[in-house]
Amino acid sequence: GAVVSQHPSRVICKSGTSVKIECRSLDFQATTMFWYRQFPKQSLMLMATSNEGSKATYEQGVEKDKFLINHASLTLSTLTVTSAHPEDSSFYICSASVLSPSGKPNEQFFGPGTRLTVL
Amino acid sequence: GQNIDQPTEMTATEGAIVQINCTYQTSGFNGLFWYQQHAGEAPTFLSYNVLDGLEEKGRFSSFLSRSKGYSYLLLKELQMKDSASYLCAVSDSNYQLIWGAGTKLIIKP
Repeated sequence: GAVVSQHPSRVICKSGTSVKIECRSLDFQATTMFWYRQFPKQSLMLMATSNEGSKATYEQGVEKDKFLINHASLTLSTLTVTSAHPEDSSFYICSASVLSPSGKPNEQFFGPGTRLTVL
Repeated sequence: GQNIDQPTEMTATEGAIVQINCTYQTSGFNGLFWYQQHAGEAPTFLSYNVLDGLEEKGRFSSFLSRSKGYSYLLLKELQMKDSASYLCAVSDSNYQLIWGAGTKLIIKP
């Protein structure tokens, strides 16, 4: 159980275009979804936290007008990178969180990630 | 400020045992997670500790001492497939995960 999917797994786009990444919890309803970015050989960097039906909370330094997050339902969140530039090339990972029966308050289940390359 | 420290890189031999340490200073504590991440892939859950002591799960064990702000992940009977980065993350008072930078574990034959 607790499977999270991400689509697409890999995308290459031209500078200035927008890219949408979908994150879905397949077999559970996620209380919260998280978006991370990871540059090569670095750890995960939290970009934003989103709860269904409310605005996302962005981390300091993350431009909310550039990284648009929509959390329309308990099973779907989308991240849109607007006017992408080469420096936005990175590995984007989403995760979904729910109170588990075992009592873990916020175990996060990760999607497989999306490799974005902006030319 | 909040801080998670773990070694950047470790090397071990196939079949041996390795211990990866993690120390933390956070505002509040609601548990500590260990995740495994292979290159180019998303992290996968390994263990969760919220009480002091050792949690054993097959070849992997995780230990926590809340008074010392310290945890370790113990990997036994190392296999080549265990080569990966191991991430320590602490859930703070707001249930937000604070991530360590990860420890890259290299297994040699």
